[in-house]
Amino acid sequence: QSVLTQPPSVSGAPGQRVTISCTGSSSNVGAGYDVHWYQQLPGTAPKLLIYANNLRPSGVPDRFSGSKSGTSASLAITGLQAEDEADYFCQSYDSSLSAHVVFGGGTKLTVL
Amino acid sequence: EVQLVESGGALVQPGRSLRLSCAASGFTFDSYEMNWVRQAPGKGLEWVSYISSGSKTIYYADYVKGRFTISRDNAKDSLYLQMNSLRAEDSAVYYCVRAWGWYFDLWGRGTLVTVSS
Repeated sequence: QSVLTQPPSVSGAPGQRVTISCTGSSSNVGAGYDVHWYQQLPGTAPKLLIYANNLRPSGVPDRFSGSKSGTSASLAITGLQAEDEADYFCQSYDSSLSAHVVFGGGTKLTVL
Repeated sequence: EVQLVESGGALVQPGRSLRLSCAASGFTFDSYEMNWVRQAPGKGLEWVSYISSGSKTIYYADYVKGRFTISRDNAKDSLYLQMNSLRAEDSAVYYCVRAWGWYFDLWGRGTLVTVSS
């Protein structure tokens, strides 16, 4: 059971827009801590996709965007492409005694 | 090239120990905080441990506290994870990860640890 909740899967056709939600609690996202997103292509290591809720590292296309409100965050992907098919994970800091870094369970994006 | 390369993963029996290493290159290692993150086969990401740039601050996830020890040698641009009393549930790919604040901007390719008799 992950501390941050993501849908197990989403799908969309090429060119469409999809969103992936990430729901936390008052000890992490709701406490004001930033949410970050990672993309894991099949058989590879995760890669930073969005940091500090809505910022893109150099080289990440502007088709990827992030937002945060209250205890939730979202990753949006527009103009869906076949190479976007991957697992996506959200991550935040948690102020509880038992955890510092928390991840979502991951969302498998399928491009139809 | 900026990269992290893990090594040391292996098949090990329950209760035994293993030491993972991570070699950093292409950046100023001693300026960065570092972490270990693991991923069991077919599962999600799970944070394991954190170490500050000068090793003064260290954190562990509850499920490894008392069994795992993170360390670094800035003179060798290297990060380590000593894993003792290994359990089947510790089986995973272990990633060495560079941190900037509390997000992870550089990941190694990972090293596989399998705990089984």
